[in-house]
Amino acid sequence: GEDVEQSLFLSVREGDSSVINCTYTDSSSTYLYWYKQEPGAGLQLLTYIFSNMDMKQDQRLTVLLNKKDKHLSLRIADTQTGDSAIYFCAESGPNNTDKLIFGTGTRLQVFP
Amino acid sequence: DAGITQSPRHKVTETGTPVTLRCHQTENHRYMYWYRQDPGHGLRLIHYSYGVKDTDKGEVSDGYSVSRSKTEDFLLTLESATSSQTSVYFCAINGQKSTDTQYFGPGTRLTVL
Repeated sequence: GEDVEQSLFLSVREGDSSVINCTYTDSSSTYLYWYKQEPGAGLQLLTYIFSNMDMKQDQRLTVLLNKKDKHLSLRIADTQTGDSAIYFCAESGPNNTDKLIFGTGTRLQVFP
Repeated sequence: DAGITQSPRHKVTETGTPVTLRCHQTENHRYMYWYRQDPGHGLRLIHYSYGVKDTDKGEVSDGYSVSRSKTEDFLLTLESATSSQTSVYFCAINGQKSTDTQYFGPGTRLTVL
C-alpha cells in the first residue's frame, strides 16, 4: 500500500542548513510536494517536483529526488526562526488531480 | 492565497449530534477534498469531489458524508459525531491544468465531547 514516512523532529541552529527527509512507496507517483504548516494555520504549498526531475531549486529551498530509492529531501539554506513549522511531504498518482498521500510531518525547530 | 474559506473555524459539540462543515471556494476549481489531521497521522483523505454531484470516498470515509450541489461549496457532514472524530479538518482545492496543485483552507477545529 501507499505509505509516506518522515522523521518527527529536527532541531537546527539559526543560519545553518536544514535537511528534511521523506521516503515514499508508490513508484507511480508523478508529483511530490512539500507543504509547510505554521502553528494554528493551514498547509502552505512550498514547492513540488515532477518525478522526471532529480533536483529543483527555489531561492533558499532545494528539493532532491532519488527515484530509485524513493527518497525525497528538502534542504533549507540559512534557516531562520520563521522557518520553524511542521513540514509535510506528499505524493500523488499519475495525475496532478489525484488524491495526495501525506507523511506524518517533521517538526522543525530553529534556535538562536 | 487561493480563495478558500472554511466555516466554522472552531466547533465544540456533543457525541451523537450532527455536524456540517462547509468549504467555500472562489476559484471555480473542479476538484475539492476533505482531509482530517491528527497527531502521528499527518493528513488523511476523507472524501473528495471531481465535479458537481460527483464525489468519492477517501482513506477514512466511515462516519462521514459529503455533498457538492454547486462548484463553490463542498459540505462535510458527520451524521452522528463521535469522540474519535475530534480533529482538525482541512479542505483543499485543485484545478485541472497540469500546473495546478492542491491549495488548502485554514482548517476547522472540531471537538466532540
